[in-house]
Amino acid sequence: GAGVSQSPRYKVTKRGQDVALRCDPISGHVSLYWYRQALGQGPEFLTYFNYEAQQDKSGLPNDRFSAERPEGSISTLTIQRTEQRDSAMYRCASAPPLGGEQFFGPGTRLTVL
Amino acid sequence: AQSVTQPDIHITVSEGASLELRCNYSYGATPYLFWYVQSPGQGLQLLLKYFSGDTLVQGIKGFEAEFKRSQSSFNLRKPSVHWSDAAEYFCAVAVKSSGDKLTFGTGTRLAVRP
Repeated sequence: GAGVSQSPRYKVTKRGQDVALRCDPISGHVSLYWYRQALGQGPEFLTYFNYEAQQDKSGLPNDRFSAERPEGSISTLTIQRTEQRDSAMYRCASAPPLGGEQFFGPGTRLTVL
Repeated sequence: AQSVTQPDIHITVSEGASLELRCNYSYGATPYLFWYVQSPGQGLQLLLKYFSGDTLVQGIKGFEAEFKRSQSSFNLRKPSVHWSDAAEYFCAVAVKSSGDKLTFGTGTRLAVRP
């Protein structure tokens, strides 16, 4: 399909492990956003890229969280030394060059035991 | 910083009844405004958006929303609800100067009685 894809869809990990979440945006979309959604809450902004440049990382909770988009397409959100409080749905969205609507992927459900 | 308030956590309506979901935002100027729907196990789907112009916006699935600047509101409406509309609805705002990053409300969960 032509939509935003994320992998894995589900990830269960043990506390202290590192995880990498992948987002493949819609072809031609310049902007890519990461959000985190806790149960019963709305998504919260983490970071975003224009092409390969990380424009804003003000929403990353701490330095265990990082993101990259080295070639301006696929992006990876990495969480080091995971903690139980990191358990959430992680959502990726992409937007076309003129901005406006963001198209969301299905999300990755992360569970830290 | 902008914020979004959705005062109703849960709403239950009967099938065929009308629906209004409330959304208020806080921002100094007029932001971009959105309504998204999230069905169980699904991603977020855009229902409608307001950037400028006509304050009554039509969206998909028979939904509409009205921007009222004086009330800082962007309420979502549907004249006749279908059972398939049961889902969680999120209002969101974005500011162009902040890279269009979305600020979401906490959502309203809609249940539909047969």
